[in-house]
Amino acid sequence: GEDVEQSLFLSVREGDSSVINCTYTDSSSTYLYWYKQEPGAGLQLLTYIFSNMDMKQDQRLTVLLNKKDKHLSLRIADTQTGDSAIYFCAEKGNYGQNFVFGPGTRLSVLP
Amino acid sequence: EAGVAQSPRYKIIEKRQSVAFWCNPISGHATLYWYQQILGQGPKLLIQFQNNGVVDDSQLPKDRFSAERLKGVDSTLKIQPAKLEDSAVYLCASSPVVLHEQFFGPGTRLTVL
Repeated sequence: GEDVEQSLFLSVREGDSSVINCTYTDSSSTYLYWYKQEPGAGLQLLTYIFSNMDMKQDQRLTVLLNKKDKHLSLRIADTQTGDSAIYFCAEKGNYGQNFVFGPGTRLSVLP
Repeated sequence: EAGVAQSPRYKIIEKRQSVAFWCNPISGHATLYWYQQILGQGPKLLIQFQNNGVVDDSQLPKDRFSAERLKGVDSTLKIQPAKLEDSAVYLCASSPVVLHEQFFGPGTRLTVL
């Protein structure tokens, strides 16, 4: 079955860049997503990338996709304390499969 | 635009008791999802509705969990009887179409003692 893996923790200094990594196993994944979850809240979609793209940039966020290695990354430029949260990688196939989420990476931004 | 509403926000019960959660999706969203998020893990899909029909309930423990979506709008998820391992946050999400972005509610945190 599908599996999505992420490192569980990341700490960065305010103003630095954060890079959160994700690997997935389903080669038929069509869409790959990054969600953010703040304490006590539901998940909020940050960005997504279609599998035929290598990169997508949206303001401070850059998503890189290496389809050959099934590796997805999220780079947050100029990380702020408000970026402290849990970040989930998720994949979705094109043939009726549902979303599969990774375990989440807890990002801590130190002042 | 109002978001996905869920209630209650917190629930504490003893094992073998029953519990029900309620979700009101964003108006006009045809697809509704229930997820279980155990502490330290990502959300796991329990059931997906398209309007009032079930699309996928392959990971729903049907011996104790049930869900319905009357009239294709609100939905309830029930656990009867609850086990200790059901302690988790239950998230509801909705989307306008199946492949589109999901909008999540704040979740219901269930503690089973």
